Amino acid sequence: NAGVTQTPKFQVLKTGQSMTLQCAQDMNHEYMSWYRQDPGMGLRLIHYSVGAGITDQGEVPNGYNVSRSTTEDFPLRLLSAAPSQTSVYFCASSYGGQNTGELFFGEGSRLTVL
Amino acid sequence: AQSVTQLDSQVPVFEEAPVELRCNYSSSVSVYLFWYVQYPNQGLQLLLKYLSGSTLVKGINGFEAEFNKSQTSFHLRKPSVHISDTAEYFCAVKNSGSNYQLIWGAGTKLIIKP
Repeated sequence: NAGVTQTPKFQVLKTGQSMTLQCAQDMNHEYMSWYRQDPGMGLRLIHYSVGAGITDQGEVPNGYNVSRSTTEDFPLRLLSAAPSQTSVYFCASSYGGQNTGELFFGEGSRLTVL
Repeated sequence: AQSVTQLDSQVPVFEEAPVELRCNYSSSVSVYLFWYVQYPNQGLQLLLKYLSGSTLVKGINGFEAEFNKSQTSFHLRKPSVHISDTAEYFCAVKNSGSNYQLIWGAGTKLIIKP
């Protein structure tokens, strides 16, 4: 099983450029989310989705957009990259409803903004 | 609001020695508790979880954790560590009445000394 697949694994951007981080899952999970991981700060939730067509903001949504047109895909868009967005980004998914909260993670996308 | 505290950012320990990684949480409601592990340059994966029942839970790779409601703690232990346990460990809590959101600790890096 592929699980949660993220692309690209590495990306270097210049300030002001835009890009999309892709995330796909093949487990038919209702819930999908994007986190960023910075040293000493653990994981911070950016955006999440509880199903196709439904998205909401997490803890640190500024500078990021998401959409959920299908159950499988949940792309994260940076419209105008800033150095503060240099981070490692993780996509994670889980079962819907009153679930137990177990998340399945992708391998991460390391983004550097110059 | 809920919060999770991992008191130690790094824990160095000799190979084959026992280890305890500490996790405390604040919550006034019933919770689910999780430990995730992140090996170098990888995504996170579930190590173990407490949902209900026995307060001692066993996970993968010989790890176990004990839920202590009175002390609001969920410390992770292993009686004898190996070099392969080198990783960052994250504690997370979820309100059992909410659908999705996990609250994360900042992480503890386990450093195994030969």
